[in-house]
Amino acid sequence: ETGVTQTPRHLVMGMTNKKSLKCEQHLGHNAMYWYKQSAKKPLELMFVYNFKEQTENNSVPSRFSPECPNSSHLFLHLHTLQPEDSALYLCASSQGVRSNQPQHFGDGTRLSIL
Amino acid sequence: QQQVKQSPQSLIVQKGGISIINCAYENTAFDYFPWYQQFPGKGPALLIAIRPDVSEKKEGRFTISFNKSAKQFSLHIMDSQPGDSATYFCAATSNTGNQFYFGTGTSLTVIP
Repeated sequence: ETGVTQTPRHLVMGMTNKKSLKCEQHLGHNAMYWYKQSAKKPLELMFVYNFKEQTENNSVPSRFSPECPNSSHLFLHLHTLQPEDSALYLCASSQGVRSNQPQHFGDGTRLSIL
Repeated sequence: QQQVKQSPQSLIVQKGGISIINCAYENTAFDYFPWYQQFPGKGPALLIAIRPDVSEKKEGRFTISFNKSAKQFSLHIMDSQPGDSATYFCAATSNTGNQFYFGTGTSLTVIP
């Protein structure tokens, strides 16, 4: 398998559930990212990891908890989410976090909060 | 505050025509400007990118025009094809503080 793989592709959960999104990259990259994509809004950068260390947390609510056990895997743990959290969650990776190193995206997890 | 402003929101072009999407930014610390293409059900994919020391970059039918003084850049798709129908995002990034900002996207439809 190549590229960036995200699972599951679709997730429906209640506000009191706990679930996790998984991302795996097979590109040998050192940086990984979580983005939120909502209709008619810009992609919102949520978290950045470089060599497994979190380097950016863009004021994301604590109900989203990232985990990066190694440079190839990234998780987003979800708990007590709100209806406004329904969106497409995209994972991306890049060789490093320098601006000219392009990000490669997965196909996302479509999250629906009931 | 939106760091990158993109227009139009949607665009319909005849096959063979030129598609033009515009973006503007304010932060002069941005030093890399990529464009991404996204098909339904897929993640964004890098299409073409430019640095601010270059005024134009061309790759096949896709051209970025960059105006540093106006802080504007645009994507031109020449000889547009139905297969180009997708959503296009401009972005601006900076080495300073892991800054990555995207526009709101333009939905392009190329009609045969």
